[in-house]
Parts: sequence; C-alpha cells; structure tokens
Amino acid sequence: NAGVTQTPKFRILKIGQSMTLQCTQDMNHNYMYWYRQDPGMGLKLIYYSVGAGITDKGEVPNGYNVSRSTTEDFPLRLELAAPSQTSVYFCASSLGQGAGEKLFFGSGTQLSVL
Amino acid sequence: DAKTTQPPSMDCAEGRAANLPCNHSTISGNEYVYWYRQIHSQGPQYIIHGLKNNETNEMASLIITEDRKSSTLILPHATLRDTAVYYCIVRSKSGGSQGNLIFGKGTKLSVKP
Repeated sequence: NAGVTQTPKFRILKIGQSMTLQCTQDMNHNYMYWYRQDPGMGLKLIYYSVGAGITDKGEVPNGYNVSRSTTEDFPLRLELAAPSQTSVYFCASSLGQGAGEKLFFGSGTQLSVL
Repeated sequence: DAKTTQPPSMDCAEGRAANLPCNHSTISGNEYVYWYRQIHSQGPQYIIHGLKNNETNEMASLIITEDRKSSTLILPHATLRDTAVYYCIVRSKSGGSQGNLIFGKGTKLSVKP
C-alpha cells in the first residue's frame, strides 16, 4: 500500500490564482482530513470528511473548498490564493473515529503565495 | 476537548530514556490521550494512545496518572532518529468534530550523541 499520497510536493502561486491540492489514499479509509501547518506551529484542521459525499468544516475553513466524490480522493481547492495561505498542507486518513483510530498522514504540500 | 500543556523543548542523551510529560487537567471520562510525533518536514506519525491504563508498544510506553490529569510518554532508548516534535493530544472517542485531533505546538525533543 502507498498509504496517503499528496501532490504536488511544492508549489508557488501568485496572489489571486487558484489551485487544487490532490490527496488520495489506498487503505479504504472512510475518514479523510486536511490540515495546515504554519512555521513553528501545530497543525490546524481545515476540513474533514466522514465518507464519500460528506464533508464538514474544521477550525480554519475560510478560503478553501473540498469535495469527496470517491472514498479514495479528497482534493482541497484554493480559489483566490492569498499570502496568508502560505503554509504546509497535510492530508490524512483514518478508518473511523472510534477509540484507538490512528491517523495516517501524507508527506505534505509546501505552498507559497507571493 | 481538553487542552494539553507540554514543555516547548527537551534534550536527551542518545541511549538514555526520554520522558516527555503532558498535562491534561481538564480531561473528561470519554477522552483518550494520543501521542504523535513529527520528524522535520514530514507528516505526523502515530505513536501510542491510552485511556486509563498504562500502554506499551514497539515504539514507546505511555504512563497515565491515576487521576488522568497528566501522562508521560517514554522512549526507552532514545536514538538520534527520535529527534522530532512530539504532540500530546486529548481526543474524544465520539465521532464528528469532537473526534478530530487538535494539535498544539508540542515538545521538540533533541537527542544528542
């Protein structure tokens, strides 16, 4: 199993541009998450999904959109990039949210908005 | 969800035990204690979790006090590869937003030769 795969690894955007961060997992996990991590800080939850067709906001959803059309894929969309969105983005998945559920993380996407 | 308090940084000599403390004085009865670590520039990695009893796996041991207000992650024989930021997280076992992980700043553990 490849686990959680994120693409691209690095990206530079101009202010106002749009892009989609891709995330796919091959573990047949129901739950998927998007986090962002600013320098020297912990991770903050942007959006999460409990299954195909179901998404919900996390702690910092403004400026982002998500969709979950399949179990495997959970793309994150930035519509109008702003410098405040410069961050490292991590996608994660888990089988469920019951006791003992582990989150598996991807290797991250480093995004700079200039 | 209960908040956690961790020291910002700790040092440990290679080969010695690393003991990382975490305070979670407002933890409730249905909340588990989870530990993750993040090696530089990588995604976080699950280490261990527990509710009341002490737990051990191939990576570490977790000691939870009887009143559950604090815990300690123990890496029995730290190596240079254990240098990372360690996150202590309290997480509800229920679903929805309550079950989501809330990461703080963690403890930066530096293992020195």
